Amino acid sequence: EAGVAQSPRYKIIEKRQSVAFWCNPISGHATLYWYQQILGQGPKLLIQFQNNGVVDDSQLPKDRFSAERLKGVDSTLKIQPAKLEDSAVYLCASSLSHSGNTIYFGEGSWLTVV
Amino acid sequence: GENVEQHPSTLSVQEGDSAVIKCTYSDSASNYFPWYKQELGKGPQLIIDIRSNVGEKKDQRIAVTLNKTAKHFSLHITETQPEDSAVYFCAASKNNQGGKLIFGQGTELSVKP
Repeated sequence: EAGVAQSPRYKIIEKRQSVAFWCNPISGHATLYWYQQILGQGPKLLIQFQNNGVVDDSQLPKDRFSAERLKGVDSTLKIQPAKLEDSAVYLCASSLSHSGNTIYFGEGSWLTVV
Repeated sequence: GENVEQHPSTLSVQEGDSAVIKCTYSDSASNYFPWYKQELGKGPQLIIDIRSNVGEKKDQRIAVTLNKTAKHFSLHITETQPEDSAVYFCAASKNNQGGKLIFGQGTELSVKP
């Protein structure tokens, strides 16, 4: 069974530029999550989708971050404009449903903002 | 909201020794507690989890214990091997908040051969 796929794996951009990350969850998984992991810390949830609807985006900095999952399968996370403090690993994860199921993580997209 | 504290932040053991990592949580409504292992450059990988209706769970060399009254849970690794070296994260969630996991700060485990 294929895991959660993410791209690109690494990205370096200058501050105020934009960047987009793509995620394809495990086949059949209805719930998709984007987490931000700053170096030396645990992952923090940015946004959670159930199919193509947003369940929780309370921690998403909406002035610069946006995410969509238009067809309820793959998802894109965008940052515009990027700040230095956005340097982190962006982890996509998925689970069968939103309650009571194991959450599987992708390898992450490493962002460095200079 | 939920807060998860994890200790120690670093742990060094000799190969073959046991390692114990402890976490406390603040929200008594939390009922699902997974542990993830994260190797350098990779995403977190689930190694074991426990639900609030169980006090202990074991899988080969790995075990997790849960004390709901004290609101803490622990990861126990026995007969450690160099390949156990990684960063370990505990997490907590409430089913009524879907799969939203609140993570601890992580423990960097180093197993010396």
